[in-house]
Amino acid sequence: AQSVTQPDIHITVSEGASLELRCNYSYGATPYLFWYVQSPGQGLQLLLKYFSGDTLVQGIKGFEAEFKRSQSSFNLRKPSVHWSDAAEYFCAVVGSGGSNYKLTFGKGTLLTVNP
Amino acid sequence: EAGVTQFPSHSVIEKGQTVTLRCDPISGHDNLYWYRRVMGKEIKFLLHFVKESKQDESGMPNNRFLAERTGGTYSTLKVQPAELEDSGVYFCASSHGGETQYFGPGTRLLVL
Repeated sequence: AQSVTQPDIHITVSEGASLELRCNYSYGATPYLFWYVQSPGQGLQLLLKYFSGDTLVQGIKGFEAEFKRSQSSFNLRKPSVHWSDAAEYFCAVVGSGGSNYKLTFGKGTLLTVNP
Repeated sequence: EAGVTQFPSHSVIEKGQTVTLRCDPISGHDNLYWYRRVMGKEIKFLLHFVKESKQDESGMPNNRFLAERTGGTYSTLKVQPAELEDSGVYFCASSHGGETQYFGPGTRLLVL
């Protein structure tokens, strides 16, 4: 069964600092990988996704993520965090191909941004 | 283009009552999904519709939960009777081809 691990439950950074949120997945084949963000009082918004090709993917709001097959990782990065980035971030995986489209989520990482 | 909408945004009910959640997917999306996040846990898959048919309902917790998607448009998720452990946030998502799912704002359900 596929699984996603986000090792950091809560991260605090200062505004302007760089950010890296970790995500490790377990899946037998090549997965499709996603990062979603949930801001306070909002729903889940898609930040970026990886299906194939270039392993460094760019998303919205200045975020990027790198797929590393050898490490089974898909870490999310941002060079300079803004106060509005404070939110909860979820990494998710779905199996490529077939008709099984159910997403498996990590437990989420809550990001606090200090002024 | 309107996104996925869910109604109500919040619901507070007493144990034993019935609650019905509604989801309107993005127009033209044949795939519709329900997920749930219980406090402190991860977001978990409940079920997947393709048009009006249930493709996968392996995540439905028990027979107190009934999902329908008549006509292949909006979907409802009914909980009857509600129990305390049903409290959480219920998310709906839709997709066109199945890979990228777009989520609604969620319904926050509290069972007292």
